[in-house]
Parts: sequence; C-alpha cells; structure tokens
Amino acid sequence: SAVISQKPSRDICQRGTSLTIQCQVDSQVTMMFWYRQQPGQSLTLIATANQGSEATYESGFVIDKFPISRPNLTFSTLTVSNMSPEDSSIYLCSVEGVRGQETYEQYFGPGTRLTVT
Amino acid sequence: DAKTTQPPSMDCAEGRAANLPCNHSTISGNEYVYWYRQIHSQGPQYIIHGLKNNETNEMASLIITEDRKSSTLILPHATLRDTAVYYCIARGTSYDKVIFGPGTSLSVIP
Repeated sequence: SAVISQKPSRDICQRGTSLTIQCQVDSQVTMMFWYRQQPGQSLTLIATANQGSEATYESGFVIDKFPISRPNLTFSTLTVSNMSPEDSSIYLCSVEGVRGQETYEQYFGPGTRLTVT
Repeated sequence: DAKTTQPPSMDCAEGRAANLPCNHSTISGNEYVYWYRQIHSQGPQYIIHGLKNNETNEMASLIITEDRKSSTLILPHATLRDTAVYYCIARGTSYDKVIFGPGTSLSVIP
C-alpha cells in the first residue's frame, strides 16, 4: 500500500483568493488523481496527473481554475484559484501504481477540507 | 466504464453479515468490479476487486454472478466501525480513472 498525506488538512479562505493543496506519497507511484467531494455528495474526479506531462482534466474542470503540478513520482499539488463559496468541498488526492507492487487499486489521502467565505 | 446501481442505504445488525448488492448489467468483458468504502470524514478505502471469480480477503468477500451483471459485497461479521458509504465501481484496465456513484450508506446497528 501507500501512505498519503495532504496539507493543509483544512482551511478557511476568503473568496477571490487561491489555495494550493499538497499531496505527498511515501512511495513512487505512476498515477496521481485529484477528486472533489462537495458536502453530502460522492467524489468527482477533477484530473489525472502524470509526471512529466500536463494533467488531464475531466469535463467541467479547467486548468485555469485548478492548476496541477506533478514535479516527481511522490508529490503533486492542486491549486484552487479565485475561490468562491461554491468551491467549498473536500479535496482528495489518490494514487495508483505503487512501484514494486503488482496490484492495481487506488489509495486515497485523508482529504483537505476547504471552506470559502 | 459501465454504470453501477446500488441501493442508497441499508441497515445491518452488529455481528450479522452485511450483504451489499450492486448491479452492473452493462459491464464489459475486461472490466473489473471494485469496492471501496468511505468512513465519515476520511478518504475512501479500497476493499476488494474481482473479474469473474469470487474473491475473499481479510476485509470482505466478493460474489460475482456468472453473467457478471451483478455482485454482492459481504462483510461477514459487521461491526459498528463498518458504518460507512460503500461504493461499487466497474472499471477497465489498470490506471483507468475511478468514477464514483452515490454508493450505499450502510448503518451497523448495535
């Protein structure tokens, strides 16, 4: 398995500002994903982040609003830009393809709870 | 990825088996059935996955029908800590994106 940490664990931000969320994994991984979970809802995939290439965004999510970096095999960041109250959600990082393992399941971080006022 | 259908909620008595159904009638031959759960305020946790044979691990058993159009996740002796939202997902090859539906909210009752 993989141990995933996210920073910050929670934050309260003012509208119009930006927040960068960090995701750190204790092993090298092939794929990293970012999800959003709005209050009372299921998880929605924002984008897939591969090292060395631009992130692939799902319908309804754009790079200007959610820029993503993936500088190496153990780290990624998601920025929520120009925030509005509708961005209040839990943001989750997940990984797949842990080096040295042959099983293929996704592991999830604990999430970052964002409140925009 | 094939769409899955689950009941929105279920109750189970503590110590009894919890049987969570999932329909995936449009599943294709190379799609696996994955189960995850999300305990309140935590990230989802992988439980089990299978292609066409029944699978068992330390957490649960997965029973897939012969036609692969439905499956059942079995928690053999449910505890209060098994109270969570359980997600059934049909997913293709490795590294395919995982698309979550609304899941089943399981309440284990003392």
